[in-house]
Amino acid sequence: GDSVTQMEGPVTLSEEAFLTINCTYTATGYPSLFWYVQYPGEGLQLLLKATKADDKGSNKGFEATYRKETTSFHLEKGSVQVSDSAVYFCALTYNNNDMRFGAGTRLTVKP
Amino acid sequence: NAGVMQNPRHLVRRRGQEARLRCSPMKGHSHVYWYRQLPEEGLKFMVYLQKENIIDESGMPKERFSAEFPKEGPSILRIQQVVRGDSAAYFCASSPQGGGNSPLHFGNGTRLTVT
Repeated sequence: GDSVTQMEGPVTLSEEAFLTINCTYTATGYPSLFWYVQYPGEGLQLLLKATKADDKGSNKGFEATYRKETTSFHLEKGSVQVSDSAVYFCALTYNNNDMRFGAGTRLTVKP
Repeated sequence: NAGVMQNPRHLVRRRGQEARLRCSPMKGHSHVYWYRQLPEEGLKFMVYLQKENIIDESGMPKERFSAEFPKEGPSILRIQQVVRGDSAAYFCASSPQGGGNSPLHFGNGTRLTVT
């Protein structure tokens, strides 16, 4: 079945470092891809999305490009801040009415 | 413009009791999804509902769990005869329509602890 695999955490970075969180997917067709962020004690919030191959989603300095050839949707940010500390989830949905999430990657940014 | 509202925020139940979790979707949203999150794990889909209909319950355990989304009022996730393994965070999400292009809007979750 359709699924998402994320790089395992936790990830610890210093402020202003470059961030990459890897995400690959398995799907029978062409799903929409998402990154969600979860801050402590809260629900998930949509960070960015891409609906077709080669689309780039971006928000708050984060970017991810839908790569069909490598079935990937890696999350990147050029300069992280302490306030970016959270758990990040890659997800896909493909016409089956439920969203499949990766296991999440915990990011801690130190000042 | 209220978001997805879940209550209670925290719920403690003893083994064998019933747990009822409520979810009011965002205004104008008629699609509701329930997910379960175990500690240090991702979210697992449980059930997808529209008003008065269960569309997909493939992620629901076959026994003790049920869900409804009545014509009036919130969606309810009901767990009968709770066991310790039911302890988790339960998240509700809503969307204005189903399908792949409609992002989910999540509530802050209900954290169920079974003692």
